[in-house]
Amino acid sequence: DVKVTQSSRYLVKRTGEKVFLECVQDMDHENMFWYRQDPGLGLRLIYFSYDVKMKEKGDIPEGYSVSREKKERFSLILESASTNQTSMYLCASDASRPGTGFGTFGSGTRLTVV
Amino acid sequence: AQKVTQAQTEISVVEKEDVTLDCVYETRDTTYYLFWYKQPPSGELVFLIRRNSFDEQNEISGRYSWNFQKSTSSFNFTITASQVVDSAVYFCALSEVSGYQKVTFGTGTKLQVIP
Repeated sequence: DVKVTQSSRYLVKRTGEKVFLECVQDMDHENMFWYRQDPGLGLRLIYFSYDVKMKEKGDIPEGYSVSREKKERFSLILESASTNQTSMYLCASDASRPGTGFGTFGSGTRLTVV
Repeated sequence: AQKVTQAQTEISVVEKEDVTLDCVYETRDTTYYLFWYKQPPSGELVFLIRRNSFDEQNEISGRYSWNFQKSTSSFNFTITASQVVDSAVYFCALSEVSGYQKVTFGTGTKLQVIP
């Protein structure tokens, strides 16, 4: 089975801290995605990547950056965490042509910024 | 711009009842994909189905069935004889085929199946 592993299940950080959320997949997928999930808003795409060192902005990239130095790892970076970034963050990966049905998500990281 | 609407925020049913989760979408594309995902309490999204916009055949998989109607821009999901294990949040999603083929999710429907 494909596994997408997010390094932390729960995280509490202080306002202004630099925060790294890590995601690793073990099936050599080209495509990786970061979403945030908020009540009443569903999942919103933050950033995605189709290849190593390649990144594209999603719908809500402000306040975030990403890094993809290796194919299996896709990191989401909050340069200076703010309370409005308190959310559930979900990583996903896919080998298919983008958008044609990625089926593997991580279990999520619930981030609280205080 | 794409939009996916799941008007039902929460639904409660008694075990063994049938339940339908509604999904209405908007897109200017003629070719697109529709999806359903399940998110159990553990948090991980589980892919259930993908449907191409050119394929309007309904699909059945065990107790799950999907009704795709292009004329009404709907892609509804029915669970027959619901079970407690079906309790989860269900997301409908739409993917464009052109450009970066981003996926747009609905806001989700929380289903609670009561024993």
